[in-house]
Amino acid sequence: SQQGEEDPQALSIQEGENATMNCSYKTSINNLQWYRQNSGRGLVHLILIRSNEREKHSGRLRVTLDTSKKSSSLLITASRAADTASYFCATGEETSGSRLTFGEGTQLTVNP
Amino acid sequence: NAGVTQTPKFQVLKTGQSMTLQCAQDMNHEYMSWYRQDPGMGLRLIHYSVGAGITDQGEVPNGYNVSRSTTEDFPLRLLSAAPSQTSVYFCASSQRRDRWGGGKPQHFGDGTRLSIL
Repeated sequence: SQQGEEDPQALSIQEGENATMNCSYKTSINNLQWYRQNSGRGLVHLILIRSNEREKHSGRLRVTLDTSKKSSSLLITASRAADTASYFCATGEETSGSRLTFGEGTQLTVNP
Repeated sequence: NAGVTQTPKFQVLKTGQSMTLQCAQDMNHEYMSWYRQDPGMGLRLIHYSVGAGITDQGEVPNGYNVSRSTTEDFPLRLLSAAPSQTSVYFCASSQRRDRWGGGKPQHFGDGTRLSIL
């Protein structure tokens, strides 16, 4: 069964707008990671946030983690057409941070 | 640096045939894993390995075998292909964990698109 549930399933925005994607999970975790997948390609790692961290930034990406609510969000600021992709959250088990469980993903479309 | 290399990129099989999907990484990563991705779904873990000689089952292991004789290679074997195994298969690798026991980012191959008729 999928650990993470992502919301929304699909998001369509205009270039320059911000995009926010949410991820909820069920069990205790060691870390939470976000990945991007362009059509027909493998997943690319974006950012990792540990269970003792609350917020992390990388370029135009901002990730938050609320372990009390078992949820995370990914914010992409000033979006570009090249950001069009599927975005997945993945949780690392508390006992084995390496083993990941993926959500079903959010399909982001950024219109030029 | 090639990263994670998967072969073949595409394959069509008949029901009952067997085949091996190849995965190789050149980053000296201890952890390797196989996932399948079906339309509209996230990735589901098939098998994983924390080092040479050590493998374990993931969420959907039935119908698949793995072995890890070297750090670099982690082949996935379909024993008797079934239409339900039509999917895109991804191999990934990572360092096993950091010094605080935390997970590390995974590096993915570009996938093998497998159709079983």
